Amino acid sequence: EAGVAQSPRYKIIEKRQSVAFWCNPISGHATLYWYQQILGQGPKLLIQFQNNGVVDDSQLPKDRFSAERLKGVDSTLKIQPAKLEDSAVYLCASTPTIDSYEQYFGPGTRLTVT
Amino acid sequence: AQSVAQPEDQVNVAEGNPLTVKCTYSVSGNPYLFWYVQYPNRGLQFLLKYITGDNLVKGSYGFEAEFNKSQTSFHLKKPSALVSDSALYFCAVRNRAGANNLFFGTGTRLTVIP
Repeated sequence: EAGVAQSPRYKIIEKRQSVAFWCNPISGHATLYWYQQILGQGPKLLIQFQNNGVVDDSQLPKDRFSAERLKGVDSTLKIQPAKLEDSAVYLCASTPTIDSYEQYFGPGTRLTVT
Repeated sequence: AQSVAQPEDQVNVAEGNPLTVKCTYSVSGNPYLFWYVQYPNRGLQFLLKYITGDNLVKGSYGFEAEFNKSQTSFHLKKPSALVSDSALYFCAVRNRAGANNLFFGTGTRLTVIP
């Protein structure tokens, strides 16, 4: 089966610009996660969706970050405006259900803010 | 609150020797513990999990981990290291049943020396 797809793989922007990342989870997976992985750190959950609803967005900096999963399938994460400290790899993961133990991760999008 | 500590940033081991990557955790209630591996330019891959039952769990690629409740540890082990095992390893804890939020450690880079 196809894995979790993410695009773009790399993005370089200047601070105060906007950027969007796209994720397509494994077909049939109801739960989708966005993580931020800063260099030298472990991934940190930003937001979790169950179908098209938000389960947890407590770690999402809502003044600049937004995410949606309108049809309960693919998802978009946006940053507007970007700051230098947003430079990181943004990982998308999915699971068949909210109780599934194993998360399936995409290759990530590496964002560099200059 | 839940947290994971990986005390070693880097572990070097000779090919054919046993390897151990250390992890300790802090969580209220019963812990759900995981190990993920990250190869260069690829997303995280699930290795193994401890949910309940036998303290020694076996996973992919010959890896195993031992859950020790008294020491709050979940060390990753392999009897004989391969050069292809060289990667970044993350320990993670899930906070409670029904909330599939993974909290990751900072990662340990394993280098297997030929």
